[in-house]
Amino acid sequence: GAVVSQHPSWVICKSGTSVKIECRSLDFQATTMFWYRQFPKQSLMLMATSNEGSKATYEQGVEKDKFLINHASLTLSTLTVTSAHPEDSSFYICSARNDLAGDYNEQFFGPGTRLTVL
Amino acid sequence: GQNIDQPTEMTATEGAIVQINCTYQTSGFNGLFWYQQHAGEAPTFLSYNVLDGLEEKGRFSSFLSRSKGYSYLLLKELQMKDSASYLCAASDSNYQLIWGAGTKLIIKP
Repeated sequence: GAVVSQHPSWVICKSGTSVKIECRSLDFQATTMFWYRQFPKQSLMLMATSNEGSKATYEQGVEKDKFLINHASLTLSTLTVTSAHPEDSSFYICSARNDLAGDYNEQFFGPGTRLTVL
Repeated sequence: GQNIDQPTEMTATEGAIVQINCTYQTSGFNGLFWYQQHAGEAPTFLSYNVLDGLEEKGRFSSFLSRSKGYSYLLLKELQMKDSASYLCAASDSNYQLIWGAGTKLIIKP
């Protein structure tokens, strides 16, 4: 089956620092990747959609200069939270989809990254 | 606008049956997903319906009525490990997933 990994699985950082989260598709080509954020007891909130080799499309209200997304290859996308603050503490989840396979509905989720900003 | 509604919380007894309902309104429709999410973990796929009717997969079944904008997830022979949040998500015309807030299912012995 399709496997998506995320690294790190958890991170604690000081306010003002930047944190990079990696999302990798291990056994398929991820033409599209999605980044979600989930606060406690709330549902998933889509932050942005990225396609390999092009700029990410951000959802309304998500600051693109704060949440930098790079989808440099068909197996790797990164989310960098710049100048992180305590309110950025959340569970960040990526998912990946292979549009070349023709099934635009099938998203495979990574295990998530728990970010805590002190 | 696009909207997904599902109950916030449900409680059921071990060994029993529970039905979690979901109604949706989306711009276009390309199917309805159910995911299970345990606390602190990512969602895991349970089912996908795009045609009307019931899809059965072991203890879990999912139903869809496109004309009513309605789906349910049916869990049979409940086990304690089924305690989790169940997320309903509809795929819109752009194949974006529109997520419900999730239903927290509490299983009591």
